[in-house]
Amino acid sequence: QSALTQPASVSGSPGQSITISCTGTSSDVGGYNYVSWYQQHPGKAPKLMIYDVSNRPSGVSNRFSGSKSGNTASLTISGLQAEDEADYYCSSYTSTSTVLFGGGTKLTVL
Amino acid sequence: QVQLQESGPGLVKPSQTLSLTCAVSGGSINSGSYFWSWIRQPAGKGLEWIGRMYTSGSTNYNPSLKSRVAISGDASKNQFSLKLSSVTAADTAIYYCARHLYGSGTYLVYWGQGTLVTVSS
Repeated sequence: QSALTQPASVSGSPGQSITISCTGTSSDVGGYNYVSWYQQHPGKAPKLMIYDVSNRPSGVSNRFSGSKSGNTASLTISGLQAEDEADYYCSSYTSTSTVLFGGGTKLTVL
Repeated sequence: QVQLQESGPGLVKPSQTLSLTCAVSGGSINSGSYFWSWIRQPAGKGLEWIGRMYTSGSTNYNPSLKSRVAISGDASKNQFSLKLSSVTAADTAIYYCARHLYGSGTYLVYWGQGTLVTVSS
């Protein structure tokens, strides 16, 4: 199974909105509403930001939102803040009952 | 609050078996509808899911690693373990253990801090 496809990098200015895409297949992203997003700051463990495509765990800012269309899921961060600068990974359940991550996207806040 | 802590050798020789343990506090590995996973991350690269264990002891593994991986639990010590055999330099990575969201085999909520394992002679 190949990693889900994410852009290597995205950037935005404080206050702006950015969207990170995550493309898979009908055997993972497109086949199930079990998509999640993780934020990882340098030297830290990943943090779950979105699950079930668009749900936020308790304590996660509502500036983070998720969606899905077909085989592509998206993470949108609105009102960009300096602290949002991090690596972001999407993840999906797969048809073989495994977990598949995306390659990761580096978000730079200009 | 659930806390996880990985431990094990930081250096493993090629062809040998990598063995790591994840000590769990704040929750029992054999109670509730929880999955427990291992994930790894080579330096400067992305996350790779290795496999998971359910409270019943059943397991699922990444197909690309399945022939070399075993995950098991020790309820008496409240810990679970990872064994990866026939390691090569490509297995050099930070290894994380994690607990899933209740009832979910997909979402990883609580993570250990990670432990670096280097494969080298």
